[in-house]
Amino acid sequence: DIQMTQSPSSLSASVGDRVTITCRASQSIINYLNWYQQKPGKAPKLLIYAASSLQSGVPSRFSGSGSGTDFTLTISSLQPEDFATYYCQQSYITSYTFGQGTKLEIK
Amino acid sequence: EVQLVESGGGLVQPGGSLRLSCAASGFTFSSYWMHWVRQGPGKGLVWVSRINSDGSTTTYVDSVKGRFTISRDNAKNTLYLQMNSLRVEDTAVYYCARADLSGNYYPFDIWGQGTMVTVSS
Repeated sequence: DIQMTQSPSSLSASVGDRVTITCRASQSIINYLNWYQQKPGKAPKLLIYAASSLQSGVPSRFSGSGSGTDFTLTISSLQPEDFATYYCQQSYITSYTFGQGTKLEIK
Repeated sequence: EVQLVESGGGLVQPGGSLRLSCAASGFTFSSYWMHWVRQGPGKGLVWVSRINSDGSTTTYVDSVKGRFTISRDNAKNTLYLQMNSLRVEDTAVYYCARADLSGNYYPFDIWGQGTMVTVSS
């Protein structure tokens, strides 16, 4: 099975900061990597698919990169509404494994 | 509006059964693969099960194999998850999600609001 490991598990940042979250797969998943945002009590929301493609309607301050086993999600200038938990997910094989999540908190 | 609405959650004793439903609207339900994803209290997301567009192919995470059954009724635009032999560790919010098949990467682009399942004596 493919394991997905995110770092850091939590992160404190300020409005306007540039933030990067990392996701590592236990084997190559080419670019079958998706990123989701989840706010408390709400369903996850798709942000990025295929490692770097921005989902329709998602602000351009969100970007993704990487291939193989190492991937990053970058938020170029944090806005108040971006404080949430972020999950990566592989869709390379049927187990559709998620990372453990990165909680982004206000400093 | 494209929408998924789950129902059927509740409190059940260990060993009991529950059937979750997910009503789809605003899109051609029969064209999409569908998934169930769960999230335990304070925990992360765990993929549970998948069904293809005509219901002929299903897949499960190992922890629910033989206990859970995913199905769909395309005439009713509804996805189901039959959960039997429930365990305390099945306690979670259960989400249904649509897989976007447009680019072969299959991200989950539409999610329901979730339904809470609590397994406790």
